[in-house]
Amino acid sequence: RKEVEQDPGPFNVPEGATVAFNCTYSNSASQSFFWYRQDCRKEPKLLMSVYSSGNEDGRFTAQLNRASQYISLLIRDSKLSDSATYLCVVYNAGNMLTFGGGTRLMVKP
Amino acid sequence: DTAVSQTPKYLVTQMGNDKSIKCEQNLGHDTMYWYKQDSKKFLKIMFSYNNKELIINETVPNRFSPKSPDKAHLNLHINSLELGDSAVYFCASSQDTTPRGYTFGSGTRLTVV
Repeated sequence: RKEVEQDPGPFNVPEGATVAFNCTYSNSASQSFFWYRQDCRKEPKLLMSVYSSGNEDGRFTAQLNRASQYISLLIRDSKLSDSATYLCVVYNAGNMLTFGGGTRLMVKP
Repeated sequence: DTAVSQTPKYLVTQMGNDKSIKCEQNLGHDTMYWYKQDSKKFLKIMFSYNNKELIINETVPNRFSPKSPDKAHLNLHINSLELGDSAVYFCASSQDTTPRGYTFGSGTRLTVV
């Protein structure tokens, strides 16, 4: 079983739609959680951290469920520029990030 | 003013050759990493280097050797290149006092022919 699992997609949604991605992780001792965004042929960039209480950044909302070991990302009012691959990322002791395989989002006009 | 810079951006080489990829960060971070992203887009850690301590991923062949002349540089040398080494290699850095996330370089696309 992979340490961080995501549905690879692609998720094809129209502009303005709300879309949600989920991710599960296997290590119950994982300490921190993030969502990264990776555009085609570019490097991954930090989108947002994920906190147990849930957190929001504009149109993006991240949730963490430690009991079920899953993380979610909700994007409201999707824009064409949101088209990218979204990487679920888990931090474990040893100061290394472990990446999921990513979920591809395509927002259509 | 690039925070994490890698060179070269593209590298095409023949099987059996030896090549190096260079990485430099100007963020003052303590820790640097090499990640490999294969054709299926999985990002896998290869090495982590912090304060002269090298942490090696055991699945990485010993043909790969990282070299860190100082805290701001972490180079990757690859001996006897194989077709399966074709991938995008990302360098990254972080401040190890907080797991807030990494800053990645723009990647080196290696093609072995």
